[in-house]
Amino acid sequence: NAGVTQTPKFQVLKTGQSMTLQCAQDMNHNSMYWYRQDPGMGLRLIYYSASEGTTDKGEVPNGYNVSRLNKREFSLRLESAAPSQTSVYFCASSELRGSVYEQYFGPGTRLTVT
Amino acid sequence: AQSVAQPEDQVNVAEGNPLTVKCTYSVSGNPYLFWYVQYPNRGLQFLLKYITGDNLVKGSYGFEAEFNKSQTSFHLKKPSALVSDSALYFCAVRDGAGSARQLTFGSGTQLTVLP
Repeated sequence: NAGVTQTPKFQVLKTGQSMTLQCAQDMNHNSMYWYRQDPGMGLRLIYYSASEGTTDKGEVPNGYNVSRLNKREFSLRLESAAPSQTSVYFCASSELRGSVYEQYFGPGTRLTVT
Repeated sequence: AQSVAQPEDQVNVAEGNPLTVKCTYSVSGNPYLFWYVQYPNRGLQFLLKYITGDNLVKGSYGFEAEFNKSQTSFHLKKPSALVSDSALYFCAVRDGAGSARQLTFGSGTQLTVLP
């Protein structure tokens, strides 16, 4: 049981390049999320998927797209990377425990855009 | 709208001393409150949560948190700090249950436990 896995761990892009961050979970969770973490700003939600086949914007969706490929996988795409997208990206998934969703996080992808 | 404030960027405490990491929140409905810990180069790990019931919540690694509705606070505490507790701590709030979008994180507090 690997939990939530993310690839790659590190990436350096030039401005304007595109890339896709991959996320997979093996816990059979319905909901998945993408966050970015910037110093002094905590985690901010980019997109989420409440269930397979659905995606919704979070707090900071501009410049990103997502795909919920199946129940296990939720990818984040940067079509034209900008220096402002330099950040650490976390994927998470959640299950319902009692009446509250509890989120489990992947190890993160550290992205630098030059 | 919901928000979380962690007023201290950095907390230093000597090993063996009690520690407190502060968190205040704002939410329109009933708050569901969480604490997560992040070790260097790792993802966030769940520590504890408050949903309802007893205001003192016990979690992993000897941590506990006290919910105070009148002060809208949910401070994280531990009676005796360990050097291994040094990490980045995040408070988070959710307004009600079941919505995938509504988990708001604070900006984080770096805890350093000095030997």
